[in-house]
Parts: sequence; C-alpha cells; structure tokens
Amino acid sequence: AQKVTQAQTEISVVEKEDVTLDCVYETRDTTYYLFWYKQPPSGELVFLIRRNSFDEQNEISGRYSWNFQKSTSSFNFTITASQVVDSAVYFCALSEANFGNEKLTFGTGTRLTIIP
Amino acid sequence: NAGVTQTPKFRVLKTGQSMTLLCAQDMNHEYMYWYRQDPGMGLRLIHYSVGEGTTAKGEVPDGYNVSRLKKQNFLLGLESAAPSQTSVYFCASSYRRGPSTDTQYFGPGTRLTVL
Repeated sequence: AQKVTQAQTEISVVEKEDVTLDCVYETRDTTYYLFWYKQPPSGELVFLIRRNSFDEQNEISGRYSWNFQKSTSSFNFTITASQVVDSAVYFCALSEANFGNEKLTFGTGTRLTIIP
Repeated sequence: NAGVTQTPKFRVLKTGQSMTLLCAQDMNHEYMYWYRQDPGMGLRLIHYSVGEGTTAKGEVPDGYNVSRLKKQNFLLGLESAAPSQTSVYFCASSYRRGPSTDTQYFGPGTRLTVL
C-alpha cells in the first residue's frame, strides 16, 4: 500500500530564512508520481509540482525547489528567502502509475508559518 | 475561466438531514473527484467519475452518493448526515484519467458541520 509521511506537523521561520519541508513516501511500484500542493489560509488547494519516478533531477521554480531522492524515498521541498505569503499548509502526495488508478494518497500536511 | 467551483462554501446540518454539494468545472475536464479533509489527516477520496453518466467508489464512500448527469457538474449527496461526516469537502477535476496521467485541480472547498 502506498503511504506518504510528512513528519513535520508545524514549522515557523522568520521571513527571509530558507525552510525545507520533508516528505517520505512508500510504494511497491517502480513507476509513480509525486506531488506538492499548497493550501493557503483561504482554503483552496494549489498545485505546485508533479514529478514522475524516472525523473530524479532537482527542480527549481523561482524561490521553490524540490529534491527527489529515490534512494531515501524522499521528495523534499525547499523555499528560499521565505515570505509571509508562503504561510500555508503544504501537502505532499503520491500516485501509483496504474492506468485507471484514481488514488492520490496525501500526507497529513505541514503547516508553515512565516514570521514577519 | 472560473476553474473548479463549489456550492455552498459553508453548511451546518442536523443529524439525519440530507444535502447535496455541487461541484462545477468549466475546463472541459473529463474526470472529477470528491475528497474529504479531516484535521490531522490528508485528503481522502470519496467517489470519482471518469465521464458523464459514470461514478465509482473511492477510499471512503460509505454514507455518500454521487451523480454526474452533466460533464461539467459532479454532485455529492448525504442522505442522512452523521456527525462523523463533519469535514471539509473538496472537489477536483482533471483532463485525463487518474493523478498518474494528469494533474488534478481543486475547488475552494465546502466546510460542513453536522450537529
């Protein structure tokens, strides 16, 4: 069975600090997909990134970067020079690549608070 | 382009009452999903639909029914609400089938309280 663990329940950092959110996953499949979603205080879920298991290249998008390491089954998310607008709950999620598999397994989320 | 919208945003029910949550998307997506989000837990899939007129059970379907009479709408019904159904409900849609093939886009959520 697939499982996603976000061990950090809450993190607080001062604005402009860098912060890394951890995500560890379990799956029996060799092909799978990993996601990060952001849930700001307004409540909606915002898609951030989707990564397949064959692509271990790190990804950078502005102040956001993701580090995917199959050897440790981790898909960590780093925010550089954090801003108050980054305050949100962040979810990591996993999907196994079976055609027709609708199951997107979410972690329990990490609440990030950026202190001005 | 409104994306995925949900009606209502908030609702309070008494135990045993019924209600329907409406999800609408204007992206011509084929696939739609209903999730629930509970404190300290991630989202869990309730039901989903792979096209107009089709529905299927997800991870936690008990106590809910769904219908997809029109491609753009996906309705979630509670026939006899229970306090255990107090949750935040999210609808999502995607163009292609399953999160492994396409990204799901989420609505703003409906906060439901059952007393």
